[in-house]
Amino acid sequence: AQSVTQLGSHVSVSEGALVLLRCNYSSSVPPYLFWYVQYPNQGLQLLLKYTTGATLVKGINGFEAEFKKSETSFHLTKPSAHMSDAAEYFCAVGRFGNEKLTFGTGTRLTIIP
Amino acid sequence: DAGITQSPRHKVTETGTPVTLRCHQTENHRYMYWYRQDPGHGLRLIHYSYGVKDTDKGEVSDGYSVSRSKTEDFLLTLESATSSQTSVYFCAISEAGRHNEQFFGPGTRLTVL
Repeated sequence: AQSVTQLGSHVSVSEGALVLLRCNYSSSVPPYLFWYVQYPNQGLQLLLKYTTGATLVKGINGFEAEFKKSETSFHLTKPSAHMSDAAEYFCAVGRFGNEKLTFGTGTRLTIIP
Repeated sequence: DAGITQSPRHKVTETGTPVTLRCHQTENHRYMYWYRQDPGHGLRLIHYSYGVKDTDKGEVSDGYSVSRSKTEDFLLTLESATSSQTSVYFCAISEAGRHNEQFFGPGTRLTVL
């Protein structure tokens, strides 16, 4: 079975500050890991994904995440927050041979001007 | 953007009435999914389909049924709606060999009074 834990249902950062959203996963096999973003009244949009290979993954809008197997983590970061980053962010885990994804409960990011 | 539409986008109904939500894709993807999104729960899988007439239950399938008679359409039916089914419903699609990457529709906001 797979599971995802997102620490912090709400995170606030000042504009220009570092964004760090935490995601820990549980999987008995090598995982596929995803970050999705949801803007108000919209569907989910893929930010970035890790499947195999390089553990530091770069995504859209300046976000990146690092797969750390020893820590079972896939934290999302962005060096400098922008007002347009305000949204809800979801971490998800999948695996080879099973087309389903398991999602975390989400983190709402607020940017303080 | 992936070609996924959901209809209706908003619906208000009364307890005990049947409701059908439609997901339509133009991507010819094999897999289709229905999720519900509720505060504090993230996205939870209701049902999914791995081909025409091939469907299976997700983690919150009670009270829901699905049908897929064509590759492009995946219907979610609430046989007798209850207030606990008030939620935002998202359809997603994916294709084999894409490492579980899913593309989401815009969502349907359902209110059961």
